[in-house]
Amino acid sequence: GQSLEQPSEVTAVEGAIVQINCTYQTSGFYGLSWYQQHDGGAPTFLSYNALDGLEETGRFSSFLSRSDSYGYLLLQELQMKDSASYFCAVGSTDSWGKLQFGAGTQVVVTP
Amino acid sequence: DTEVTQTPKHLVMGMTNKKSLKCEQHMGHRAMYWYKQKAKKPPELMFVYSYEKLSINESVPSRFSPECPNSSLLNLHLHALQPEDSALYLCASSQDNREQYFGPGTRLTVT
Repeated sequence: GQSLEQPSEVTAVEGAIVQINCTYQTSGFYGLSWYQQHDGGAPTFLSYNALDGLEETGRFSSFLSRSDSYGYLLLQELQMKDSASYFCAVGSTDSWGKLQFGAGTQVVVTP
Repeated sequence: DTEVTQTPKHLVMGMTNKKSLKCEQHMGHRAMYWYKQKAKKPPELMFVYSYEKLSINESVPSRFSPECPNSSLLNLHLHALQPEDSALYLCASSQDNREQYFGPGTRLTVT
């Protein structure tokens, strides 16, 4: 089976840095993805890691350690518009295309 | 064009009605998906079509019937739904196992 754990909520001020951790258990691990979803909106893809290391995309970075079954999403220079839910998701070679989502982390950015 | 479109945006239906949700993508993606999302929860996979063939059915009740008329279109036919089926229904598409593009969703209310 598959399971993912991520914190339910994180609060930070504008300009701060937030790290959202995600630990997973899955057979046939293929890759770890991150999605952002604003209230009332659709999930949008942020980043993907298949290999160990850090991927940087502007203010957002994502990290993966396959040996630790662990990854994180780093949000830098937080802005009010970053207030949203963030989901980690794993893909498995056992089932092409199927993403298992974590429960989501609500990020609240305060002035 | 990196857009997935869905119609209608909102739908209210009675438990005896028959309705259909529609999804379209013009990115040439090989796979299309239906998800169900309840408030404050992650998207929950329902169906996956790969090359227009149903590849995954996550044990969804038969009152939900998917259809993939061609590589760009995906429908979800609804019949005899229950109030607990009220949710946001999301369509997505992808070319690989890395990134899924989500449509804006149809907010369904069953009365």
